[in-house]
Amino acid sequence: SAVISQKPSRDICQRGTSLTIQCQVDSQVTMMFWYRQQPGQSLTLIATANQGSEATYESGFVIDKFPISRPNLTFSTLTVSNMSPEDSSIYLCSVGWDYGYTFGSGTRLTVV
Amino acid sequence: GQQVMQIPQYQHVQEGEDFTTYCNSSTTLSNIQWYKQRPGGHPVFLIQLVKSGEVKKQKRLTFQFGEAKKNSSLHITATQTTDVGTYFCAGGGLSGDKIIFGKGTRLHILP
Repeated sequence: SAVISQKPSRDICQRGTSLTIQCQVDSQVTMMFWYRQQPGQSLTLIATANQGSEATYESGFVIDKFPISRPNLTFSTLTVSNMSPEDSSIYLCSVGWDYGYTFGSGTRLTVV
Repeated sequence: GQQVMQIPQYQHVQEGEDFTTYCNSSTTLSNIQWYKQRPGGHPVFLIQLVKSGEVKKQKRLTFQFGEAKKNSSLHITATQTTDVGTYFCAGGGLSGDKIIFGKGTRLHILP
């Protein structure tokens, strides 16, 4: 399975600012996935990022709020833009392989 | 759209008792996966089931996939304190495609 390096691990941000989260994978993967997990809740898929094309966003998530970059097959970023306290959550990236999905360690975001 | 329901939401068991969590999908799944998330951690892959009626075992954990490929269960025999965490099922499409997570079952072990 792949190994994912995600950073930052946590951040406290002022409302109205933006934060970019990075995920580096140790092997080439076609699709990368970005999830949000509210405390004590399940994982909600934000978008799927393919290299060389625009990300596909799930219902309730828009590109202006969560722009994603996928410059190559081992790297992706998710930006949380114009943050509000409601964006406080854990954000995780994930990649699939033949027998499951591997997750990054997550970014715990607090917006104050 | 596809939904994956999981019950119970919480389960408290005495150490040594058994534990089971159930997962149901509104549609037929190509596969189902199970993950464990320890408090403060990220989801870790446990197993994937693909075949109708499939049963797989990992030590004290037994995973089943229903005949109609719409439901699944995870059973832990003789729970230990190390089993504490939230267990998620996730229904998916083909390998590498997106998966939809159930809401998870939070397991708490009473000493």
